[in-house]
Amino acid sequence: AQSVTQLGSHVSVSEGALVLLRCNYSSSVPPYLFWYVQYPNQGLQLLLKYTSAATLVKGINGFEAEFKKSETSFHLTKPSAHMSDAAEYFCATLNTGGFKTIFGAGTRLFVKA
Amino acid sequence: GAGVSQSPSNKVTEKGKDVELRCDPISGHTALYWYRQRLGQGLEFLIYFQGNSAPDKSGLPSDRFSAERTGESVSTLTIQRTQQEDSAVYLCASSSGTARGTDTQYFGPGTRLTVL
Repeated sequence: AQSVTQLGSHVSVSEGALVLLRCNYSSSVPPYLFWYVQYPNQGLQLLLKYTSAATLVKGINGFEAEFKKSETSFHLTKPSAHMSDAAEYFCATLNTGGFKTIFGAGTRLFVKA
Repeated sequence: GAGVSQSPSNKVTEKGKDVELRCDPISGHTALYWYRQRLGQGLEFLIYFQGNSAPDKSGLPSDRFSAERTGESVSTLTIQRTQQEDSAVYLCASSSGTARGTDTQYFGPGTRLTVL
């Protein structure tokens, strides 16, 4: 069965530093992978998704993620953190049937001034 | 309407009471999802509706949980005989349904349920 594991429930970075949020997937077939963000007191929104096209996926707000089959990873990065990036980030995948989204436990990103 | 709306935004109830949560999807979206988010945890899939097809109820945690959707409009999630472990934020999402699970899901703000 498909699943995702997010490494680190909390990540803290300084403003301007690299953001790296880790996600590893488990899948017996080529997966579909997503990153969602949940800002404080707001609903979830899609950052980016991988659907087996380009392995480097660019999303909103300067985020990107790279699908690495050899590492079964889909880590989320942003070159320079901004205070407004402080939020909870969820990695997700689809089940074999293709319509049930399976979410990771989430990583809360803190950005220090 | 611009986005997915949910009501009520907050619900406090006593253990054993029934509650009904409502979701209004984006107009024209054929797919609708319900999720549960317990404090400090990720989202847990509950149920999926796609057009007039039979819903996928595989994520409902017990027979106290049920959901309905009429056509491609409003959906209600009902929890009977609520328990304290039902306390969570219940999120609804809708999508165009054209690409099965890969089309973008648009989430509502959620209903925060507290069972005393």
